[in-house]
Amino acid sequence: GENVEQHPSTLSVQEGDSAVIKCTYSDSASNYFPWYKQELGKRPQLIIDIRSNVGEKKDQRIAVTLNKTAKHFSLHITETQPEDSAVYFCAAGSGTYKYIFGTGTRLKVLA
Amino acid sequence: NAGVTQTPKFRILKIGQSMTLQCTQDMNHNYMYWYRQDPGMGLKLIYYSVGAGITDKGEVPNGYNVSRSTTEDFPLRLELAAPSQTSVYFCASTIQGPFYEQYFGPGTRLTVT
Repeated sequence: GENVEQHPSTLSVQEGDSAVIKCTYSDSASNYFPWYKQELGKRPQLIIDIRSNVGEKKDQRIAVTLNKTAKHFSLHITETQPEDSAVYFCAAGSGTYKYIFGTGTRLKVLA
Repeated sequence: NAGVTQTPKFRILKIGQSMTLQCTQDMNHNYMYWYRQDPGMGLKLIYYSVGAGITDKGEVPNGYNVSRSTTEDFPLRLELAAPSQTSVYFCASTIQGPFYEQYFGPGTRLTVT
């Protein structure tokens, strides 16, 4: 069935360093790829998304890249700050009306 | 706009009790979803709806039921609560399906003892 694999499950970086989280999807019909940030006890919130007709998108310190041929997409956070510490989820918009979520990455930014 | 709202915020149920989790959105979104999130885990889809009167099962529907009589409301019914249903429940909506941003409600934290 459809699935999205997300790696790593946990990631610790020093403040100011970059963080990269990678996802691989299986459904070739997927064409929308959002990234959500979830702080402890809060709801998931969209931080950036990309569509299949675009290879890269950037918003200040956050960027997402998409390789449709390889079915990979990645989240890049530069100049990390302590407030970036959270759980990050990738997702793929499936042709079967559903979003398929990755299992999440717990990012810790060490001061 | 209030966005997606959920009630209650917290609830403790005894085994075998039933309850309805309420979800309302005021964005005129067609698609609505119910997820559960167990501690330290990801989101699992329970049920979804593509419009009023249309619902379908997600990956973990057992023990739950839904209805969608209006565009705005998408209640989730738990029958005969079990400890395995202890979780945080999120409702979400999107305007036209999984090709646009999904907006989440604040969640309902449910404990079954």
